[in-house]
Amino acid sequence: KAGVTQTPRYLIKTRGQQVTLSCSPISGHRSVSWYQQTPGQGLQFLFEYFSETQRNKGNFPGRFSGRQFSNSRSEMNVSTLELGDSALYLCASSLALGSGANVLTFGAGSRLTVL
Amino acid sequence: GDSVTQMEGPVTLSEEAFLTINCTYTATGYPSLFWYVQYPGEGLQLLLKATKADDKGSNKGFEATYRKETTSFHLEKGSVQVSDSAVYFCALSDRNRDDKIIFGKGTRLHILP
Repeated sequence: KAGVTQTPRYLIKTRGQQVTLSCSPISGHRSVSWYQQTPGQGLQFLFEYFSETQRNKGNFPGRFSGRQFSNSRSEMNVSTLELGDSALYLCASSLALGSGANVLTFGAGSRLTVL
Repeated sequence: GDSVTQMEGPVTLSEEAFLTINCTYTATGYPSLFWYVQYPGEGLQLLLKATKADDKGSNKGFEATYRKETTSFHLEKGSVQVSDSAVYFCALSDRNRDDKIIFGKGTRLHILP
């Protein structure tokens, strides 16, 4: 079956612009999580969505937002981009919340470079 | 709060050497524990997991045992290969916290031929 698909894979933006990243989860998975990965900070949790509702949120400023659609696809948006937003943004899907052993399946990521 | 601490890298070994990557955790309840691996240019993928104390997860020659008494989940492999070069992440999922996944910072592993 198809894995988690993230688009675009690579993008370059300039400071002050905004960006939207897309994630299509594995068919049947209803939970989608987003992570930011940088060499200095490692993997940092951004937010998690389940059934179109944000269930958990990490410690990021309000410039970072997301949403989930009825087909479980998710988008995240970063407004007023800063140089420090350059990172690999990873999306992961899982079957459901509260499964007790919440295995995540990750996409390959969207690499954002802010100039 | 919950946390995961793993040994800092990079770890450099020769092919066929024995590998240990240490991981300890702090959690309020009884978490499930995971090792994920990230190969160059890819996202993370599950390597193995254990859901209760004394469980041993294993996959691709890697093993890790859930040790509640030492709050540890160390990753081991008896004979590493060049293809094992990757970044390894220890993680926990705490049922008391809506199964939120907490990751360690990752350990980069280099295997020399």
